Amino acid sequence: DAKTTQPNSMESNEEEPVHLPCNHSTISGTDYIHWYRQLPSQGPEYVIHGLTSNVNNRMASLAIAEDRKSSTLILHRATLRDAAVYYCILRDVMEYGNKLVFGAGTILRVKS
Amino acid sequence: NAGVTQTPKFQVLKTGQSMTLQCAQDMNHEYMSWYRQDPGMGLRLIHYSVGAGITDQGEVPNGYNVSRSTTEDFPLRLLSAAPSQTSVYFCASRISPATVDEQFFGPGTRLTVL
Repeated sequence: DAKTTQPNSMESNEEEPVHLPCNHSTISGTDYIHWYRQLPSQGPEYVIHGLTSNVNNRMASLAIAEDRKSSTLILHRATLRDAAVYYCILRDVMEYGNKLVFGAGTILRVKS
Repeated sequence: NAGVTQTPKFQVLKTGQSMTLQCAQDMNHEYMSWYRQDPGMGLRLIHYSVGAGITDQGEVPNGYNVSRSTTEDFPLRLLSAAPSQTSVYFCASRISPATVDEQFFGPGTRLTVL
């Protein structure tokens, strides 16, 4: 499985934008970049995913570098509810079962 | 839709006991999987299934059995519980094993083995 590298933790102020980085220098052409988050005492929830182009949805934006070796999850206005562990995951669509393999993630703390 | 449901929410076992963690989904998803999460760590894949009658091992399958007799249910069996299996267990599902669609997770079962 291609690996990702994320900072252990980040801190943000409420109502300010947050940029969560992810490095994936060994990404292959068939790897999709996925982001999940896990709120305290809950199961993970899907945030966003993309292949090459930047993506937007109601929760966040995903900016993907032109060489695809890094990406950034953008929360446009952080709220206290966004405090969670954020996981950047590569999924190979050509792999049997294309399993979702979690790393340690980034702990995001949001200050009021 | 109820989504992915897991029972029980909490369980305490003694070493050597066996039990089954239940997982069900009502979204007609082909793909289901089980993860465990130890304190302060990310999730690790135990077993997964790409459809009824088909199961496969993940990263940490030892000590666990699964079967998939229906599309809806994917139970996880602990054969002889050990303290090292104390963890939070999450079941997940997605519509197909061949796509990169969103994966849905259940609320988890917190298991303590004494």
